[in-house]
Amino acid sequence: KNEVEQSPQNLTAQEGEFITINCSYSVGISALHWLQQHPGGGIVSLFMLSSGKKKHGRLIATINIQEKHSSLHITASHPRDSAVYICAVEEGGSEKLVFGKGTKLTVNP
Amino acid sequence: DAGITQSPRHKVTETGTPVTLRCHQTENHRYMYWYRQDPGHGLRLIHYSYGVKDTDKGEVSDGYSVSRSKTEDFLLTLESATSSQTSVYFCAVRGVDSPLHFGNGTRLTVT
Repeated sequence: KNEVEQSPQNLTAQEGEFITINCSYSVGISALHWLQQHPGGGIVSLFMLSSGKKKHGRLIATINIQEKHSSLHITASHPRDSAVYICAVEEGGSEKLVFGKGTKLTVNP
Repeated sequence: DAGITQSPRHKVTETGTPVTLRCHQTENHRYMYWYRQDPGHGLRLIHYSYGVKDTDKGEVSDGYSVSRSKTEDFLLTLESATSSQTSVYFCAVRGVDSPLHFGNGTRLTVT
């Protein structure tokens, strides 16, 4: 069974700080997704990646397939980045996705 | 916007009654999923579909059934609702090698 572990579970930062959220998984995957959920809100896809690195605005996602690890970085964090960030993996050869439990980020002004 | 609509958005029902939640998409994506989200558990897969009339169970499928008779619609049915099924239910869709898109969720309360 694929286990998806996120760290930290909770993260509090000051506005402007550089944020890193980590995701580790235990079996081979075909792709990894990073998602964002604001309080009381819906879930939005940030990135889908299977290798290397992707960047969108102040967000950067990286993945190391050999180490079974991915990171989501937020540069120059802002209070509007406060949300739960969720990692999900597509197991190789399967249509299923396995989700981490999320990292709750709070950015204070 | 992947054109995903969940209905109803909120529902309160009594224990033992049947409940059907609907997920409708406009993009003809192949894969559709039903998840429940509960504090401390994150998103857990109930059932998913990989095509019309092709469905499979997820990790928390007991007490739930699904149907997909058309590409655009994926229905989740609670045959006899229980209080443990009080949750927020999310539908998600994706195409082959494409990102996930989520509906806005359905908040279900079973009294």
